[in-house]
This record gives sequence, structure tokens and C-alpha cells, in this order.
Amino acid sequence: GAVVSQHPSWVICKSGTSVKIECRSLDFQATTMFWYRQFPKQSLMLMATSNEGSKATYEQGVEKDKFLINHASLTLSTLTVTSAHPEDSSFYICSALTGGGGQPQHFGDGTRLSIL
Amino acid sequence: GQQVMQIPQYQHVQEGEDFTTYCNSSTTLSNIQWYKQRPGGHPVFLIQLVKSGEVKKQKRLTFQFGEAKKNSSLHITATQTTDVGTYFCAGAGTYKYIFGTGTRLKVLA
Repeated sequence: GAVVSQHPSWVICKSGTSVKIECRSLDFQATTMFWYRQFPKQSLMLMATSNEGSKATYEQGVEKDKFLINHASLTLSTLTVTSAHPEDSSFYICSALTGGGGQPQHFGDGTRLSIL
Repeated sequence: GQQVMQIPQYQHVQEGEDFTTYCNSSTTLSNIQWYKQRPGGHPVFLIQLVKSGEVKKQKRLTFQFGEAKKNSSLHITATQTTDVGTYFCAGAGTYKYIFGTGTRLKVLA
């Protein structure tokens, strides 16, 4: 149980393109999802907390107009990287909670984004 | 802001040797979670510790939460090649977790 699907797994696109990444909880409802960014051989950096039906909470230093998050249902959150540039190239990964705080996070497989 | 550091950053061990990674938080934690990330994969939840001084075991893995709830450790006895990966601790903040810097483990057969 507790499967999280993330799509797409790999994106290569030109500079200036907007890219949408989907994160779905397949067999449970997730009121809270997290979006992380991970650089090679580094830790996961929390970008934002996505709550169903409300605005996402962004971490300090993360541009909310650059990284648009929508959590429209209890099973889907999306991250849109707007007008992507090469410095946005990274591994983006989402996670979902099956319950409230203090529960394990279940991660998607991640999206490797490469901006040319 | 809250910081969670892990040492060592890298560890190479011979198969059969023991391995320990240490996690230290700049602030007191309500609980701590441990995750394992295989190369090219996503983090997988291992365990959660909540109580001060708590010790939990999973087969060859032993997890410990410090008395002050600011540090934790993961010890693997008699490592196997399947233990390869990066081990992260994640300290609980308010409805979010701050991941540690991670320890990358390589096991030489």
C-alpha cells in the first residue's frame, strides 16, 4: 500500500519552456504532499508543502511564481516550473503523507528535469 | 533555521563490517525518521523514533534516539552489498521534515 506515482520521470526541454510534474497518491488520500529538489549526491531540499484545497507553503528562498504548486484533490498535486532555465535542471521528488504530522512520507520515483 | 547534519558524509566498508551514521539537529526534535535511498531511486521509509532514548531494531539495523532528542544514530551490523545506498535522517518540524545531509554507504564485496 501507500504508493505514490510521479510523472514524468524524465524531461528534457528548451530554455523558456514551462514544465508540469504530477504527483499522485494511488491507493490513499493525501491531505499533505511535499515537493523536494535534490542535486546530485546531495540531500533533499524541501521546496514547499502542498495542502489540499489551500495555498502551498513555500520554504524561504523558493520563488512561488517560479514553482507553481496546485493541490486540487486529495490524490493529486502538481508542480509547474515556469519559464525554466538551465539552473532549474535538477531532480524533483514529491512525497505524500497518509495521515497527519508524524507519519512516514511515501515518495514518488522523482522527475529528472534537464533544461537545455 | 533548523539544520540537521550527518556524519560521516561517505563510508566505504568491507562486506561483513559494521557501519554507523550519526545525525545531529540544531534544535530539539519531536520525532525523527530514517530513510534509505538507493542510487537512482527514491527515499524509502525505514523507521520513526519518538521517545527520548528510544532504541528500535530491524534485523541487522539498530536505531537510537538521543536522550535530549537532538541526535540519532543508525547502526548496521555485518553489512551486506544490499545495504548500499544513502541513509538520511529527517527531523520533524511543524508538519514538515528537514532532511539530514545524508551518509553514502558503499559495501565492498
